[in-house]
Amino acid sequence: DAKTTQPNSMESNEEEPVHLPCNHSTISGTDYIHWYRQLPSQGPEYVIHGLTSNVNNRMASLAIAEDRKSSTLILHRATLRDAAVYYCILRVPGNQFYFGTGTSLTVIP
Amino acid sequence: DTGVSQNPRHKITKRGQNVTFRCDPISEHNRLYWYRQTLGQGPEFLTYFQNEAQLEKSRLLSDRFSAERPKGSFSTLEIQRTEQGDSAMYLCASSLSGGRTEAFFGQGTRLTVV
Repeated sequence: DAKTTQPNSMESNEEEPVHLPCNHSTISGTDYIHWYRQLPSQGPEYVIHGLTSNVNNRMASLAIAEDRKSSTLILHRATLRDAAVYYCILRVPGNQFYFGTGTSLTVIP
Repeated sequence: DTGVSQNPRHKITKRGQNVTFRCDPISEHNRLYWYRQTLGQGPEFLTYFQNEAQLEKSRLLSDRFSAERPKGSFSTLEIQRTEQGDSAMYLCASSLSGGRTEAFFGQGTRLTVV
């Protein structure tokens, strides 16, 4: 199973940026880095993904290290609705998604 | 299309009974995945299909578990002779094939074995 390492929990103040780190030192050249989040009692929700270059979408930005062994999900202005568990996942060549335990983000009003 | 649909949303069953869950993926998606999630843990991969072919099964998928995807459309996950340890959220997801495509998850089926 492709492994990622994330902090168990993080806190952020509302309307401030949040940087969620992920280490994936065993990543291979063809693995895409995916981020999902899961709100309580819901299924995981896609956030963003990338291969080598930094990526932006309406929800977040993804910064990928040059050696691809780590990445950072950036929420530019945290809102209370962003409180969730965030999962960093490597999509392996067989296309399965292997989840870790994720980072539980608390947003403080 | 309203996304991935799972039924039922909740199921309570007695130990030893059989249960079956259904997943309706997004219509054009050829990949379908099943996951299990227990409290405080991330989703654990169980199995996935490409069209009607079951391509991989996790070692977590004991002989009591079976999944099908007839005609490459909806999928069912059956658990025979349920045990209390089977209590979990069962999640279904679908996607197009390829590492750069995202998966869409359903709301899950919460199974409680009493």
